[in-house]
Amino acid sequence: GIQVEQSPPDLILQEGANSTLRCNFSDSVNNLQWFHQNPWGQLINLFYIPSGTKQNGRLSATTVATERYSLLYISSSQTTDSGVYFCASSIQGAQKLVFGQGTRLTINP
Amino acid sequence: DADVTQTPRNRITKTGKRIMLECSQTKGHDRMYWYRQDPGLGLRLIYYSFDVKDINKGEISDGYSVSRQAQAKFSLSLESAIPNQTALYFCATSDPRAAGSYNEQFFGPGTRLTVL
Repeated sequence: GIQVEQSPPDLILQEGANSTLRCNFSDSVNNLQWFHQNPWGQLINLFYIPSGTKQNGRLSATTVATERYSLLYISSSQTTDSGVYFCASSIQGAQKLVFGQGTRLTINP
Repeated sequence: DADVTQTPRNRITKTGKRIMLECSQTKGHDRMYWYRQDPGLGLRLIYYSFDVKDINKGEISDGYSVSRQAQAKFSLSLESAIPNQTALYFCATSDPRAAGSYNEQFFGPGTRLTVL
C-alpha cells in the first residue's frame, strides 16, 4: 500500500517564526489532506490538496503530485499553532486515508 | 467538526466488558469511517461503510464490529474489551459526489477509551 512519510518529526520554534513541514508519499494519490491535531486531540481539517497550491490566512500548502510530495507552510507562528500536524493520502480506488506519523510543532512565546 | 459528533467523549472500562461508541453526522454524507489512534502514531482504519447495507473491514478490524443504523449513524462495538484497545477513536465522513474534493474526510472530536 501507499507509504506516507513526514518530516521533521519534531520542530520547536519561537513565536513569529515561519515553518515548512514536508509530506512524501509513495504512489499517485487522489486525495491529500493536512490536519492539525490540537492538544485536546481534535483533528482540524486544514487543506484538501491532491495537487496545486492553496492558502488560508497564515497557512498555505503545495502538492507536487508528479514528484510525490506536499509542503505545509506556516508563517508568523503563534502559540496556538502548537500541536501535531498530519498529512494523509489515499490512492485511486482505495477508501482509507493513510496517515503519516506526524510532525509535532511547538511554538514558544 | 461540529457536524460529526461522537459519544461518549471519554470512557473508562474494564477488560472483558462490551462497549459501544457512537457516531452521528448531519453532513448528509453517505460514507462513514472508524479509525483508531495510538499514542504518538497516526490513525489506522478499523471499518468503513458506503451506505447502510455496505460495510467493509479496514486494516485492523479484529476485535471490533460495527453497525450502520441509518445514513447518519455508525456505531463501533468492542465485544470484549482488552487493554491494548486503549486508544483515541475517531469517526469520519466523506461525500464522493462533492465537487472538487472527492473523498475528503471530515473527522469527529474523538472518543478517548481506556481499558483497564
